[in-house]
This record gives sequence, structure tokens and C-alpha cells, in this order.
Amino acid sequence: GIQVEQSPPDLILQEGANSTLRCNFSDSVNNLQWFHQNPWGQLINLFYIPSGTKQNGRLSATTVATERYSLLYISSSQTTDSGVYFCAVNTDKLIFGTGTRLQVFP
Amino acid sequence: DADVTQTPRNRITKTGKRIMLECSQTKGHDRMYWYRQDPGLGLRLIYYSFDVKDINKGEISDGYSVSRQAQAKFSLSLESAIPNQTALYFCATGSWEDGGFTDTQYFGPGTRLTVL
Repeated sequence: GIQVEQSPPDLILQEGANSTLRCNFSDSVNNLQWFHQNPWGQLINLFYIPSGTKQNGRLSATTVATERYSLLYISSSQTTDSGVYFCAVNTDKLIFGTGTRLQVFP
Repeated sequence: DADVTQTPRNRITKTGKRIMLECSQTKGHDRMYWYRQDPGLGLRLIYYSFDVKDINKGEISDGYSVSRQAQAKFSLSLESAIPNQTALYFCATGSWEDGGFTDTQYFGPGTRLTVL
């Protein structure tokens, strides 16, 4: 089956710093999504991004499907950005990556 | 109102008990999914359904069963709960057309299950 790997596994930032999270996948997929799981366990949809670049406030994502990777950019990080970031690729179901755990300190 | 709701939100039970987790959606999506998340790990697929009366096993279906009672409802049962089924359970929905999802998948708030 498709393998989805995320890096780095852990990331510690000071408030205001920028970061880039990466998602690599092993085969062609229909689509890709990014999620943020907050410290209370809730999964929040960030981006639905088959290809190209999308932006939403301080967050943006780029997927290069032909090269089988996606990037999530977080600019001017805030403590509320803390949590785990998952990418998930769509075949006929979502297959999740292992996640990047982000901690943002004031 | 939330697009995907799950009940109960928290449940503590004992080994050997039968447990049912319920999921309802108002998105009108044809596809529904149950995932399990263990601490520090990603989500793993338990079962999924493409339509009423269509049930498919996911990665970790042993010890679980499901029922798709209507397009909007998808329930997950643990026939005889065991401690290693302690986890966070998520229901999700998706809309599929022409070989791909037409929209993002929507997740419920999760059910935190503890089996003692």
C-alpha cells in the first residue's frame, strides 16, 4: 500500500518563527489533505490540495503531485498553532502520515 | 450544528462488554469511515462504507463490526471490548465522484474510549 511519511517528527519553535513541514508519499494519489489536531484531540481541516499552492492566513500549502510531496508552511507561529499536523493522501480512502508534533513557546 | 457528530464523546467500560459508537452526518456524503488513533500515532482505518449496505474492512478491522443504517448514520461496535482497544475513535465522511473525492473529508469530534 501507499506509504506516507512526514518530517520532521517533532518541531519546537519560539513564537514568531516560521516553519516548513514536509509530506512524502510513495505512489500516485487522487488528492491530499492537511489536518491540525489540537491538544484536545480535535481534527481540523486545513487544506484540500491536489496540486499547486493554497493559502489561508498564516498557513499555506504546496503539493507537487508529480514528485509525490507536499509542504505546509506556517509563518509567524503562535502558541495556538501547537499540536500535531497530519497529511493524508486520498486513494478511495484517506491514508494518514505519521504526523509532525509542533510545540510553539511564547 | 456540526456536520459530523459522534456519540458518546467519552466512554469508560470494562473488558468483555459490548460497546456501540454512533456517527451521524448532515453533509449528504455517500462515503463514511471509522478510524482509530492510538496515543502518539496517526489514524488507522477500521471500516468504511461507500453506501448503505456496502461495508469494507480497513487496516485493523479485527474485533470490530459496523452497520450503515442509513446514508447519514454509521455505527461501530466492539463486540467484546479489550484493553488494547482503548483509543480515540473518529468517524469521517467523504463525497466521491468521477474517480476522486469532490471535497475534503469531514471528521467528527472523536470518541475517547477506555477499556478497563
